[in-house]
Amino acid sequence: GAGVSQTPSNKVTEKGKYVELRCDPISGHTALYWYRQSLGQGPEFLIYFQGTGAADDSGLPNDRFFAVRPEGSVSTLKIQRTERGDSAVYLCASSPGGSFTDTQYFGPGTRLTVL
Amino acid sequence: GDSVTQMEGPVTLSEEAFLTINCTYTATGYPSLFWYVQYPGEGLQLLLKATKADDKGSNKGFEATYRKETTSFHLEKGSVQVSDSAVYFCALDRDDKIIFGKGTRLHILP
Repeated sequence: GAGVSQTPSNKVTEKGKYVELRCDPISGHTALYWYRQSLGQGPEFLIYFQGTGAADDSGLPNDRFFAVRPEGSVSTLKIQRTERGDSAVYLCASSPGGSFTDTQYFGPGTRLTVL
Repeated sequence: GDSVTQMEGPVTLSEEAFLTINCTYTATGYPSLFWYVQYPGEGLQLLLKATKADDKGSNKGFEATYRKETTSFHLEKGSVQVSDSAVYFCALDRDDKIIFGKGTRLHILP
């Protein structure tokens, strides 16, 4: 079946602009995760959804970052007033039931460049 | 806090060489440990995992053993192939998130 998909694959924006990044998880997966991977680094956790609610948003760096999952499927990561330091690859992952031992399946990522 | 440290790359080997990528971790309790792989142009994929001490994870000829006494989870393969060229990430789980190392880039020369 289809894996996790993310759109767009690349996004170039100017400093101060607003961006939205979309994630389509594997059908039926109730848990959804966002990570951010800066150049030369491993992915860093941002936020975790179980169903429609954000179960853990402790990784969001500041209040410019926000994510939603209104129907418990597709999720959107929103970044306001983008800064050059926000440039990174944003990864989405989903897992079947949200158990800590479930395998997380990753999407290909969205590469965000803030000029 | 919890963290993962893995050997810096790039690591360059000839085909059929023996591979070791070192990984050590710092964590409270006994997390599950993982190796993820990112092939060129593709997303992160789980390569193998181990959920408790002395467990050995294995997949595609790769192996790693959860060593509690040395807090290590080194990745090994007896004979690497050009197709193994990728970035490898060691990781652990802490509650609802995965904590990754910085990654090790592996180049295999034909």
